[in-house]
Amino acid sequence: GDSVTQMEGPVTLSEEAFLTINCTYTATGYPSLFWYVQYPGEGLQLLLKATKADDKGSNKGFEATYRKETTSFHLEKGSVQVSDSAVYFCALRLGTYKYIFGTGTRLKVLA
Amino acid sequence: DAGVIQSPRHEVTEMGQEVTLRCKPISGHDYLFWYRQTMMRGLELLIYFNNNVPIDDSGMPEDRFSAKMPNASFSTLKIQPSEPRDSAVYFCASSPSLSGNTIYFGEGSWLTVV
Repeated sequence: GDSVTQMEGPVTLSEEAFLTINCTYTATGYPSLFWYVQYPGEGLQLLLKATKADDKGSNKGFEATYRKETTSFHLEKGSVQVSDSAVYFCALRLGTYKYIFGTGTRLKVLA
Repeated sequence: DAGVIQSPRHEVTEMGQEVTLRCKPISGHDYLFWYRQTMMRGLELLIYFNNNVPIDDSGMPEDRFSAKMPNASFSTLKIQPSEPRDSAVYFCASSPSLSGNTIYFGEGSWLTVV
């Protein structure tokens, strides 16, 4: 069936380190892909998205490229900050409104 | 611009009691979603509505769960009777009607059933 697989966390990095959070998906058809971020005690917020192959989504220094050939949408940031500490969710959307989320990856950035 | 508003933010209840979670979507959004988040299963879609009509409730775990949307600005998720395994964070989310739009989440209702 359709699914999203994320790397298990927690991921612990020092400030200014490079971040990669892996995400791969299985889907019939051509999904749109998303990264959401959840800060402690809050709901999920859209971080970035890509709607077709080779699209790159970017926001707040984060970016991810829709790779159809590897069915991946890895999240990257060149230099993380303590304020980036949160849980990151990869998600796909099939059709108009069926979203499937990964289990989330917790990121902890140390000063 | 008010976001998705959920209540209560936190609820602790005893097993067997009825629990009602409430949601006010963003004005003008035609789609409303209920999700459940647990450590074990991550984020699961329970049900979603379009123009107040339930479209897909295949994620509702069992008959103890029910959801309604009596009008465009209000929805409820009810659990009766509640069980300890229902302890989770329940998120409501809404989205505009146009394809390609993203969904906007509320801050969640943290439910603990003891």
